[in-house]
Amino acid sequence: SQELEQSPQSLIVQEGKNLTINCTSSKTLYGLYWYKQKYGEGLIFLMMLQKGGEEKSHEKITAKLDEKKQQSSLHITASQPSHAGIYLCGADDPGGGADGLTFGKGTHLIIQP
Amino acid sequence: NAGVMQNPRHLVRRRGQEARLRCSPMKGHSHVYWYRQLPEEGLKFMVYLQKENIIDESGMPKERFSAEFPKEGPSILRIQQVVRGDSAAYFCASSLQGENGNTIYFGEGSWLTVV
Repeated sequence: SQELEQSPQSLIVQEGKNLTINCTSSKTLYGLYWYKQKYGEGLIFLMMLQKGGEEKSHEKITAKLDEKKQQSSLHITASQPSHAGIYLCGADDPGGGADGLTFGKGTHLIIQP
Repeated sequence: NAGVMQNPRHLVRRRGQEARLRCSPMKGHSHVYWYRQLPEEGLKFMVYLQKENIIDESGMPKERFSAEFPKEGPSILRIQQVVRGDSAAYFCASSLQGENGNTIYFGEGSWLTVV
């Protein structure tokens, strides 16, 4: 079955700085989803990537899927307190037997003022 | 367009009681998923349903847990004879079609505490 490893597990960044979160898959990614979760709340959809080399941006957040489709990165530019939370990557695994997404354990992001 | 609606948001049950969690998918969505998030663990898939059908329940515990998505009304995740280990956040998600290439939207979650 597919496994997703996120790094780093946690990250403390000073407000205004840039940061990158990585998501590495044990298998080829057919659909890679990025979500943000605030503590004690639900998941907010950020972006979905499907094609090798694909890159999408929303406000100050950019996500990329590498050409080999086994790794994705999430980059935040000029971080703000509102970016704090848990970032989760999730993946489709069409051949994995289960119909749900497989998720990484998340990256906890703290923004220091 | 309302998002995925879950209720209750928080639920406290004593050991041995039943817990019922409800999920109304986004308008027009006929595919519903339930996930569980245990403390200090990641989000784990439990079950995937379409109207009146369970498509994949490979992530559901074999006993005490059941799910349904009737023709009318919300999807229900039912946990019978709850134990302390059932304490977790339960998330419902929905999509317009099956997940492949389709955006999956999550609800705010239902936090179950078993005392």
